[in-house]
Amino acid sequence: NAGVTQTPKFHILKTGQSMTLQCAQDMNHGYLSWYRQDPGMGLRRIHYSVAAGITDKGEVPDGYNVSRSNTEDFPLRLESAAPSQTSVYFCASSYSRGSSYEQYFGPGTRLTVT
Amino acid sequence: DAKTTQPTSMDCAEGRAANLPCNHSTISGNEYVYWYRQIHSQGPQYIIHGLKNNETNEMASLIITEDRKSSTLILPHATLRDTAVYYCIALGGFKTIFGAGTRLFVKA
Repeated sequence: NAGVTQTPKFHILKTGQSMTLQCAQDMNHGYLSWYRQDPGMGLRRIHYSVAAGITDKGEVPDGYNVSRSNTEDFPLRLESAAPSQTSVYFCASSYSRGSSYEQYFGPGTRLTVT
Repeated sequence: DAKTTQPTSMDCAEGRAANLPCNHSTISGNEYVYWYRQIHSQGPQYIIHGLKNNETNEMASLIITEDRKSSTLILPHATLRDTAVYYCIALGGFKTIFGAGTRLFVKA
């Protein structure tokens, strides 16, 4: 299994441009999340999904959209990028064992918005 | 979700056990204790979790006090590759909130 894959690894965007960060998992996990990590801020969850067709907002959802059409993929869309969205983005998949959840993270996408 | 408190940084000699403490005095009965680590700029890696019993896997051991107000992650024989930021998280459900963690330096 490849686990959680993310593309691209690095990207530079200009303010106002749009782009989609890709996330895919091959572990048949039901739960997927997007996080951003900024220096001194730790990881903060942007959006998450508990199943195909179901998405919900995390702590910092503004400026981001997600969709979940199948189990494997969970793209994150920036419609009009802003410099404040310069960050490292991680996708994580999870399954539940009873009421506990272990998350498995992808390698990250480093995004710079100029 | 319970707040967790961890030391900012710790040192450990290579080959020795690394004991990383975490306080979670407001943890409630259904909240698990999870440990993750993040090596350099990689994605966080799941290590171990537990509810009230001590747990061990191939990476580490987790010791939870009887009152569940604190726990210790033990890396039995630390190597240089264990240098990382270690996050202790106490919560229930699917939410995950990462704090600043403990930066562990393993020294030769």
